[in-house]
Amino acid sequence: GENVEQHPSTLSVQEGDSAVIKCTYSDSASNYFPWYKQELGKGPQLIIDIRSNVGEKKDQRIAVTLNKTAKHFSLHITETQPEDSAVYFCAAYGGSQGNLIFGKGTKLSVKP
Amino acid sequence: ETGVTQTPRHLVMGMTNKKSLKCEQHLGHNAMYWYKQSAKKPLELMFVYNFKEQTENNSVPSRFSPECPNSSHLFLHLHTLQPEDSALYLCASSQPGQANYGYTFGSGTRLTVV
Repeated sequence: GENVEQHPSTLSVQEGDSAVIKCTYSDSASNYFPWYKQELGKGPQLIIDIRSNVGEKKDQRIAVTLNKTAKHFSLHITETQPEDSAVYFCAAYGGSQGNLIFGKGTKLSVKP
Repeated sequence: ETGVTQTPRHLVMGMTNKKSLKCEQHLGHNAMYWYKQSAKKPLELMFVYNFKEQTENNSVPSRFSPECPNSSHLFLHLHTLQPEDSALYLCASSQPGQANYGYTFGSGTRLTVV
């Protein structure tokens, strides 16, 4: 079945710097890759996603890239702000399993 | 609000108690999920329901009993829990077979077993 690895588990950056979180997946049939942000006391919320027919997608300060050949995808946050501090989860869907498979999460801390 | 509402937000229960968690969505979704979130296993899928039918039980102990009376409501009945069951329990919904349009999560129930 699908396996999603996420790195790093924790990331600390200075306000204004960029942050990059990387994920790899194992099932080449996976075709949908969402990213979720979980703030303290809340459930995960979808912030951006990418499908396998696209290599890059951008939404203001966040962007996601996908390399199907290498089976990895990354979340990029530019000009980080303290409110970006949260746990971020990547996920993959569309392989042999019918559900989203999540990575273990990255705790991002943005220091003012 | 995400459209998925979970109650209660916090629950403290003894190991001999029986309690229930409730999840409600009005997004028109027909698939609903229970996840357990703890420090050791951040997002652990427990149960999946599609059109009120349970389609996945991820080897969950029988002290957790799900119920899905209709496509909008999902319950998790708890009895004789252990302290290691203390965690955040998250409910999510999506369209069946369309997880590639993402899941919508509730805010979770923080469960403490004493």
